[in-house]
Amino acid sequence: GQQVMQIPQYQHVQEGEDFTTYCNSSTTLSNIQWYKQRPGGHPVFLIQLVKSGEVKKQKRLTFQFGEAKKNSSLHITATQTTDVGTYFCAGHANSGYALNFGKGTSLLVTP
Amino acid sequence: DAGITQSPRYKITETGRQVTLMCHQTWSHSYMFWYRQDLGHGLRLIYYSAAADITDKGEVPDGYVVSRSKTENFPLTLESATRSQTSVYFCASSRDTNSPLHFGNGTRLTVT
Repeated sequence: GQQVMQIPQYQHVQEGEDFTTYCNSSTTLSNIQWYKQRPGGHPVFLIQLVKSGEVKKQKRLTFQFGEAKKNSSLHITATQTTDVGTYFCAGHANSGYALNFGKGTSLLVTP
Repeated sequence: DAGITQSPRYKITETGRQVTLMCHQTWSHSYMFWYRQDLGHGLRLIYYSAAADITDKGEVPDGYVVSRSKTENFPLTLESATRSQTSVYFCASSRDTNSPLHFGNGTRLTVT
């Protein structure tokens, strides 16, 4: 079945440093979604990418979808303590409607 | 989001007991999902539903039963709880297959 892999599992940065998490799928995805989960909270939707090679920005966050629609990345510029949490990518295979989540990248930002 | 609620928030039960986790959404979303979250495993799909009376198994369905007699409710039942089912359970809903998921606040279940 489809698998979505995410790296790194953990990342610890100093405030102001950049951060990137990568997501790779074993199969072509119809779209990819990114979620953020604060400690003790529930996942909250950030963004969805649909087109091959798509790039979207939300303030300091940049999301990319690979040309082959099998990988994606989330880059945070100049991290802040409010960025702390776990970031998940999730993808739909072309044949299914259930989202498969990666294991997430836990980001810790120290001031 | 206030539109999807899970109950209870915390539950402690004993091995072998039956326990039901409730999920209710007010958006009339067609799709509903149950995930469990465990350290090192991320979010794993247990069951999902495309509409009332339509349910499908996800990645880890063994030991769980679901029903969807009404669009707004999607209860998850552990028929005979085991310690390996200690986890945080999240219910989610979405309007259609390409829409974002809206998650409930989760139920933290401990099986002793």
